[in-house]
Amino acid sequence: EPEVTQTPSHQVTQMGQEVILRCVPISNHLYFYWYRQILGQKVEFLVSFYNNEISEKSEIFDDQFSVERPDGSNFTLKIRSTKLEDSAMYFCASSALRDRDSGYTFGSGTRLTVV
Amino acid sequence: AQSVTQPDIHITVSEGASLELRCNYSYGATPYLFWYVQSPGQGLQLLLKYFSGDTLVQGIKGFEAEFKRSQSSFNLRKPSVHWSDAAEYFCAVVRGGGFKTIFGAGTRLFVKA
Repeated sequence: EPEVTQTPSHQVTQMGQEVILRCVPISNHLYFYWYRQILGQKVEFLVSFYNNEISEKSEIFDDQFSVERPDGSNFTLKIRSTKLEDSAMYFCASSALRDRDSGYTFGSGTRLTVV
Repeated sequence: AQSVTQPDIHITVSEGASLELRCNYSYGATPYLFWYVQSPGQGLQLLLKYFSGDTLVQGIKGFEAEFKRSQSSFNLRKPSVHWSDAAEYFCAVVRGGGFKTIFGAGTRLFVKA
């Protein structure tokens, strides 16, 4: 069964450092997403990406965040200057159609710890 | 604004017993509804979805859910729980016309022998 692959599974970084979280979506999917889950809290939408541009983003997704699809297979989330409150599990997801029509396939997540 | 409420933070059931996890949503139009499961250290896996039509939908792993418009509910059920069902379960709704899914806070299921 096709999978969404995320690397690394766990990353520790110092406050103020830049981090890049990597995702390989399912190959024939067209819509890509990042969500995050702070420990003990809800899964929160960050951003959706379609046709090489952001289609929607939440208020969490401020100027410190950016996404990129640098090639035909990877989808990355960059945090420019990490803060303690960025510590969370970050999930990448992809879908063949808009999420309402198909539901997502999620990756296993990257646990980001900012110290 | 759209919202999803899962009233039960955690539930404990005995193996072999039936299960019902509650989900209520707030949304003006007919919603697109989902249930996801998250096992420890894993990503979220789609269990089932409802868009329209038959209000009782079947999913993977023996789960089903029933959409009740009058109660704004989409409760998840399983007739006989297995120990491997222990996980966190998330109800979710898609905002019409948009791209994002709104998740409930989750219900953690514990299964006792």
